[in-house]
Amino acid sequence: GNSVTQMEGPVTLSEEAFLTINCTYTATGYPSLFWYVQYPGEGLQLLLKATKADDKGSNKGFEATYRKETTSFHLEKGSVQVSDSAVYFCALLSKSTFGDGTTLTVKP
Amino acid sequence: GAGVSQSPSNKVTEKGKDVELRCDPISGHTALYWYRQSLGQGLEFLIYFQGNSAPDKSGLPSDRFSAERTGGSVSTLTIQRTQQEDSAVYLCASSLGLAGIAKNIQYFGAGTRLSVL
Repeated sequence: GNSVTQMEGPVTLSEEAFLTINCTYTATGYPSLFWYVQYPGEGLQLLLKATKADDKGSNKGFEATYRKETTSFHLEKGSVQVSDSAVYFCALLSKSTFGDGTTLTVKP
Repeated sequence: GAGVSQSPSNKVTEKGKDVELRCDPISGHTALYWYRQSLGQGLEFLIYFQGNSAPDKSGLPSDRFSAERTGGSVSTLTIQRTQQEDSAVYLCASSLGLAGIAKNIQYFGAGTRLSVL
């Protein structure tokens, strides 16, 4: 079946630190991959996406590269800010499959 | 509308009562999805609609849960004889369609927080 496995949280970083949140998936074919973000008290928002192997999605300083050979779509940001504190979800939307979410807290 | 709208935003009910949660998708979106997010947990897919049809209802947790969509627009999720374990945030999302990258981006509402006492 289809599944998404995310790095367990919570993750706590200092401002300007480097962020990686790991995501691997299991699926048939070549699905499009997504990262969603949920800020406190809000619904999920699309953060970035990639549709095929070696595609890099990027938005708000976040990046993720679709790696078919490792079935991964890790989220990275070079310098996090306090405002990035949120829950991040990796997803296979075509199968409505989401990871369990990783809570990120960034401290000043 | 401008975005996916869910109501109520919060619902407190007593164990054993029935509740109805409403979702108003983005205008023109043919696909609609319901998820459940329990405290500290990820998203649990419940059901999706393509138009007014729900091809797969196997994600619904029990027969106390049902959902319908009318006119290809508004959807209601009904939970009968609520139990304490039903307490969660219920999220609704919509998308233009089911196939293809541009169509299957899901846009989420803010959710309904259900508390069963």
